[in-house]
Amino acid sequence: GENVEQHPSTLSVQEGDSAVIKCTYSDSASNYFPWYKQELGKRPQLIIDIRSNVGEKKDQRIAVTLNKTAKHFSLHITETQPEDSAVYFCAASEGGGADGLTFGKGTHLIIQP
Amino acid sequence: DTAVSQTPKYLVTQMGNDKSIKCEQNLGHDTMYWYKQDSKKFLKIMFSYNNKELIINETVPNRFSPKSPDKAHLNLHINSLELGDSAVYFCASSPNSGRELFFGEGSRLTVL
Repeated sequence: GENVEQHPSTLSVQEGDSAVIKCTYSDSASNYFPWYKQELGKRPQLIIDIRSNVGEKKDQRIAVTLNKTAKHFSLHITETQPEDSAVYFCAASEGGGADGLTFGKGTHLIIQP
Repeated sequence: DTAVSQTPKYLVTQMGNDKSIKCEQNLGHDTMYWYKQDSKKFLKIMFSYNNKELIINETVPNRFSPKSPDKAHLNLHINSLELGDSAVYFCASSPNSGRELFFGEGSRLTVL
């Protein structure tokens, strides 16, 4: 089965700086890679996703990059703000959608004022 | 307008008891899921249910049983609760051919 490794487990950055979270996956058949954000005490919510036929995707201050050859993908957040503080999860699936998602263990992002 | 709702939000019970958590979605989605989030925040799929087809994660003990009375509901029943069952349980749904998981607010189960 799929195995998703996520690093770092905790990331502290100054407000306004950039944050990068990295994930690797094991199954070369995986073709869908979403990122979920979970604020303290809340539900996880999808913030961005990418499919394997695309190398990069951007949405305002967040971007995701995918390297299929190396089997890794990353989340980039620029100009971080206090509301970016949360736990971020990467995930992978080979079905192209929500079915069969394997999640990474999460990264606790702390934005220092 | 809560899209995916779970009850109860908090549940405290003794070891050995049987309990249920209910989930309802009003999004018209075809697939529903149960996820377990442990104290280290690790999110793990337990079940997915689509058109009466149940896909079980083989690591889930058979003390856990999902029950779906209709497409909008997927309840989780747990027999003989153990300390290690303490976690937050999230229900989620997604449309057919959909990519996004819509999570409920979670149900925090504490087994004493």
